[in-house]
Amino acid sequence: QQQVKQSPQSLIVQKGGIPIINCAYENTAFDYFPWYQQFPGKGPALLIAIRPDVSEKKEGRFTISFNKSAKQFSLHIMDSQPGDSATYFCAASIRGYGGSQGNLIFGKGTKLSVKP
Amino acid sequence: SQTIHQWPATLVQPVGSPLSLECTVEGTSNPNLYWYRQAAGRGLQLLFYSVGIGQISSEVPQNLSASRPQDRQFILSSKKLLLSDSGFYLCAWSPNPPGAGYNEQFFGPGTRLTVL
Repeated sequence: QQQVKQSPQSLIVQKGGIPIINCAYENTAFDYFPWYQQFPGKGPALLIAIRPDVSEKKEGRFTISFNKSAKQFSLHIMDSQPGDSATYFCAASIRGYGGSQGNLIFGKGTKLSVKP
Repeated sequence: SQTIHQWPATLVQPVGSPLSLECTVEGTSNPNLYWYRQAAGRGLQLLFYSVGIGQISSEVPQNLSASRPQDRQFILSSKKLLLSDSGFYLCAWSPNPPGAGYNEQFFGPGTRLTVL
């Protein structure tokens, strides 16, 4: 119940395309859903995050869509560029639970390649 | 602004040798600190977290240990490295302890460890 399932494992799109990465969860107590971007050899960087009181959040070309009833959330990258090629991780966590239950639970990652 | 440092950036060690990786955070007080390991092409595995000096929680029983001798310093150690300890080690900090507030985590640049 603490898992976050991320798909696809890898994704190739052409420049200008809109890659979509999906994550699903079971625990309805999750209330914070961040996305991280990781370039090869670097640490992950917090990209964008959403809370379940909204269905969509945009920051620049990155959009999170959140479907509370389906227990799913997804990352869309508009007008993708070769510089967006990276591994993307979704995650989830719960407020109000101390100890290890309050830690971030990460998906396994999606390797995105944007072809010129 | 807050900055997180890790060193060394890369390390090659023989099997059976000791290990010490260091993480420090600047620009904040009382950070919550995390150690993750990332195997090649894999996801993020939480190893340890700390909510204060001398307070260490272990998520996965293994060949490693962690210590927090100062407020903004987090150390990952091993007495005898195994081949399976190879990986990319990431330190992260968060302003909120697990479960208290939204678990925004900010990652350092990582240490690439190769055990031969």
